[in-house]
Amino acid sequence: KQEVTQIPAALSVPEGENLVLNCSFTDSAIYNLQWFRQDPGKGLTSLLLIQSSQREQTSGRLNASLDKSSGRSTLYIAASQPGDSATYLCAVRKGSGSEKLVFGKGTKLTVNP
Amino acid sequence: DAMVIQNPRYQVTQFGKPVTLSCSQTLNHNVMYWYQQKSSQAPKLLFHYYDKDFNNEADTPDNFQSRRPNTSFCFLDIRSPGLGDAAMYLCATSKGQSTDTQYFGPGTRLTVL
Repeated sequence: KQEVTQIPAALSVPEGENLVLNCSFTDSAIYNLQWFRQDPGKGLTSLLLIQSSQREQTSGRLNASLDKSSGRSTLYIAASQPGDSATYLCAVRKGSGSEKLVFGKGTKLTVNP
Repeated sequence: DAMVIQNPRYQVTQFGKPVTLSCSQTLNHNVMYWYQQKSSQAPKLLFHYYDKDFNNEADTPDNFQSRRPNTSFCFLDIRSPGLGDAAMYLCATSKGQSTDTQYFGPGTRLTVL
């Protein structure tokens, strides 16, 4: 059974700092991995999607990496801003033909002005 | 401009009183999903429709049902809500291709009194 773990559960940093969020998964047979952002009481916004054949994806100040063999992904946020404060979730897709995403519980990020 | 719409955003029901949550999409996507997310927990897939084909997760309680009358709309019916069913219910859509991103609605917060 695939399990996704995100550590730490919460992180507080000063504005401007670069930071890394971690995601690990137990079954390396994934099709892709996705990072989402969730603001309090809101739905999920997709940030980056990495296919299993890719090593990383970049969007603006965000960079996500994937090491499938070791079951790990990181989300790097450069020059953090208070508007980045949210919960960040990672999710893995089990395999081709499966629609299911398995989510981690998320890391709650607070960026202090 | 909204792509995945959920109504209502907040729903209060009484213990045992049936409730229906609504999701609509303007993306013409083939797949529609329902997730349950309890406080500080990972979203958990309840079921999904690939076109008209219904796919139930093995551990989804019988109390939860779904209908998809057409491509644009999908409903979540909770036949006899219990206190443990209080959660955020998230609807998502995707094209149905393996490389896809899932697009989420803003969610419906269900309170059971």
